[in-house]
Amino acid sequence: QVTLKESGPGMLQPSKTLSLTCSFSGFSLSTSGMVVSWIRQPSGKSLEWLAAIDWDGDKYYNPSLKSRLTVSKNTSNTQVFLKITSVDIADTATYYCARSWYFDFWGPGTMVTVSS
Amino acid sequence: DIQMTQSPSFLSASVGDRVTINCKASQNINKYLNWYQQKLGEAPKRLIYNTNNLQTGIPSRFSGSGSGTDYTLTISSLQPEDFATYFCLQHNSFPLTFGSGTKLEIK
Repeated sequence: QVTLKESGPGMLQPSKTLSLTCSFSGFSLSTSGMVVSWIRQPSGKSLEWLAAIDWDGDKYYNPSLKSRLTVSKNTSNTQVFLKITSVDIADTATYYCARSWYFDFWGPGTMVTVSS
Repeated sequence: DIQMTQSPSFLSASVGDRVTINCKASQNINKYLNWYQQKLGEAPKRLIYNTNNLQTGIPSRFSGSGSGTDYTLTISSLQPEDFATYFCLQHNSFPLTFGSGTKLEIK
């Protein structure tokens, strides 16, 4: 059974660094071709793909945010992390992680509010 | 970036109706187009992948078609549980991009 779950700080102040964790089970990120992506969705709006990391450790970023994003994974290939630097109000959103380039399985999302 | 223009933004329909939702890409996406359903407060759920492949467990009243730049999601006979927001996603090239969404409401 494939499951993913995001975790994050809930709320943080502008200019800080947002750190998110995606913990998953039911598949291994060490499997050839496997990918985990991060996607976000401001309330009432559409979805934005942010970043991905694949089984080989290759990283992919949305150019619109690339300078602020860092995606990584743990050595046991059970968690993927995303850091976003210098957050502002526009980064307020629900953040999801999803499996594969086809986004076949998603976590429930974690809501992040940027506020002073 | 490939822009995905989704229409309509809102759709009001009745149980039993046949509805279509469209996504138009700004360039050829080679059928690398998925459709997702999202209910309030939930994560998106994949319905269709690569234009016309039905996700396991999704009812056959959902279907997808298209090629090149133009793609369509069809729901053949709306059921009460189908009232939700629908998004398309192109995964032909980076950055992956979503449509703006179609909110399907009960008439």
